[in-house]
Amino acid sequence: ILNVEQSPQSLHVQEGDSTNFTCSFPSSNFYALHWYRWETAKSPEALFVMTLNGDEKKKGRISATLNTKEGYSYLYIKGSQPEDSATYLCAFCDRGSTLGRLYFGRGTQLTVWP
Amino acid sequence: EPEVTQTPSHQVTQMGQEVILRCVPISNHLYFYWYRQILGQKVEFLVSFYNNEISEKSEIFDDQFSVERPDGSNFTLKIRSTKLEDSAMYFCASSEGRAVYGYTFGSGTRLTVV
Repeated sequence: ILNVEQSPQSLHVQEGDSTNFTCSFPSSNFYALHWYRWETAKSPEALFVMTLNGDEKKKGRISATLNTKEGYSYLYIKGSQPEDSATYLCAFCDRGSTLGRLYFGRGTQLTVWP
Repeated sequence: EPEVTQTPSHQVTQMGQEVILRCVPISNHLYFYWYRQILGQKVEFLVSFYNNEISEKSEIFDDQFSVERPDGSNFTLKIRSTKLEDSAMYFCASSEGRAVYGYTFGSGTRLTVV
């Protein structure tokens, strides 16, 4: 079983702070790395899918980078807002998976205080 | 925006009973998945389904589990004889393609086995 780790486990920040979290994954047999945003009582929502080493993706105030050689991805939130409060999940897909089985980390739970 | 719909949202069943969890994936998606999250643990893969057959399954997906796409719109997960350890949140997901697109998840069915 492939191991995906996320840190920190939880994060509490003030509105306006910028923050970042880490996802680490196996550096061999890389196929894709997904980031999801998961609000309580809702379904996980796809933020980014990253497939190439050096990929950088951006959606509004949220951006992500990818380093497949060393096996990590960073998610950045600039100027956090209370509505950014959610659990952020990363998920790794191995090249050997026939249909894109995802291996998830435990997530980083972000709370943004007004 | 298209959604993946899951029913029921919560099901309580007695140990040893059969349960069927239902999902309506997004209509033009071709790849379907079931994942689950036991409380306090990572989201874990159960099975992937494409072209009316199982493509990949995890070690968890033993003979007690089965999936079906009976009518071209519904996608079901059946657990034949539930155990206490099957208690979890079960998520259905669908995708346009193998891991290069974000998956669309349903909001889950919370299964409680008593």
